[in-house]
Amino acid sequence: AQSVTQLGSHVSVSEGALVLLRCNYSSSVPPYLFWYVQYPNQGLQLLLKYTSAATLVKGINGFEAEFKKSETSFHLTKPSAHMSDAAEYFCAVSEDSGTYKYIFGTGTRLKVLA
Amino acid sequence: EAGVAQSPRYKIIEKRQSVAFWCNPISGHATLYWYQQILGQGPKLLIQFQNNGVVDDSQLPKDRFSAERLKGVDSTLKIQPAKLEDSAVYLCASSVGTLTYEQYFGPGTRLTVT
Repeated sequence: AQSVTQLGSHVSVSEGALVLLRCNYSSSVPPYLFWYVQYPNQGLQLLLKYTSAATLVKGINGFEAEFKKSETSFHLTKPSAHMSDAAEYFCAVSEDSGTYKYIFGTGTRLKVLA
Repeated sequence: EAGVAQSPRYKIIEKRQSVAFWCNPISGHATLYWYQQILGQGPKLLIQFQNNGVVDDSQLPKDRFSAERLKGVDSTLKIQPAKLEDSAVYLCASSVGTLTYEQYFGPGTRLTVT
């Protein structure tokens, strides 16, 4: 069965510092992986997705993530944090198993310090 | 392009009352999803429709929750009777089809059961 683990429910970084949000997955078949961002009182917005093409995926707002099969990881990074990056981030996995439903992690709340 | 619309945005009811949520997906999107997001957790899929047929409702508490998607467009999710543990944000999402993988989310309905 699929599962997603996000290490660290809360992460704080200084403005301008590197952002690293961790995501590990469990899947019996090659997965599709996603990162979504959720701002307060809003729905989820897709940041980037991995669908078996390039292992380094670039997304919106300067974010990128690298798929590492050997580590079953899909960590999200951004070289320089901005105050507007403060939000909750969710990693999700989907399998090519018919319904393609998402399994979400529990989320990581990012706080950016001035 | 208009996004996924949901209403109401907020709802407060007493336990044992009933409530209904409405979702209008992005035009042309065949697949519609309802998620439940409890505070501090990631979204959990309740039901997935492909046009007006149910693809997956394995995590829908069918004794109290029901959903329909008439004519393959709008959808309603109903809870009757509500319990305290149903307090959550209910998110609707849509995608062009299951093969496209990317889901677009609405702003959600925040339900408080007292």
